[in-house]
Amino acid sequence: DQQVKQNSPSLSVQEGRISILNCDYTNSMFDYFLWYKKYPAEGPTFLISISSIKDKNEDGRFTVFLNKSAKHLSLHIVPSQPGDSAVYFCAASEVGQFYFGTGTSLTVIP
Amino acid sequence: DTGVSQDPRHKITKRGQNVTFRCDPISEHNRLYWYRQTLGQGPEFLTYFQNEAQLEKSRLLSDRFSAERPKGSFSTLEIQRTEQGDSAMYLCASSHGGLYNEQFFGPGTRLTVL
Repeated sequence: DQQVKQNSPSLSVQEGRISILNCDYTNSMFDYFLWYKKYPAEGPTFLISISSIKDKNEDGRFTVFLNKSAKHLSLHIVPSQPGDSAVYFCAASEVGQFYFGTGTSLTVIP
Repeated sequence: DTGVSQDPRHKITKRGQNVTFRCDPISEHNRLYWYRQTLGQGPEFLTYFQNEAQLEKSRLLSDRFSAERPKGSFSTLEIQRTEQGDSAMYLCASSHGGLYNEQFFGPGTRLTVL
């Protein structure tokens, strides 16, 4: 049972434009959501998180939006840079257990 | 380097053998997590510790899998009687404080079962 889904396996964006990565979840008990970035041969690196009591969290070029009614969250990267090219995972937590999506591979084209 | 370390980075074993992986978390981190990641999937939660206490182990994949963190510092994940389906990347992560602090991941141990 895939409780966290990333339906776009890949995304290509021009440098300087906005990247929007999407994530859907099914469990209404999730109360904390995170985005991780992963480069090849490395473990995932934390990017940004959001509590279920908020609908937006911003950190520099990265903004996460949470729509609880739609059980949907998204990550916006503005402006996108070639160094942002990586696989992005969304994750959701319930009582200390974390569930990850399958990842979206982002390519930022110079 | 004071990040999460895992050893070995790669392990090749024959079906039926036992394997043990080690994870050294960031020193002040009290929570330690184990995940498995297969090709094209995200990390799959297996178990986690708060200090030496294993707080969740129901999601370990079978009774062939076990994990320990005897002194609340490093942890080991053992797989007994390995099967080809156990081939995957095994990731360890650690965090400090409460449930909602970010996890720092190690580079993983890639297991290949022949």
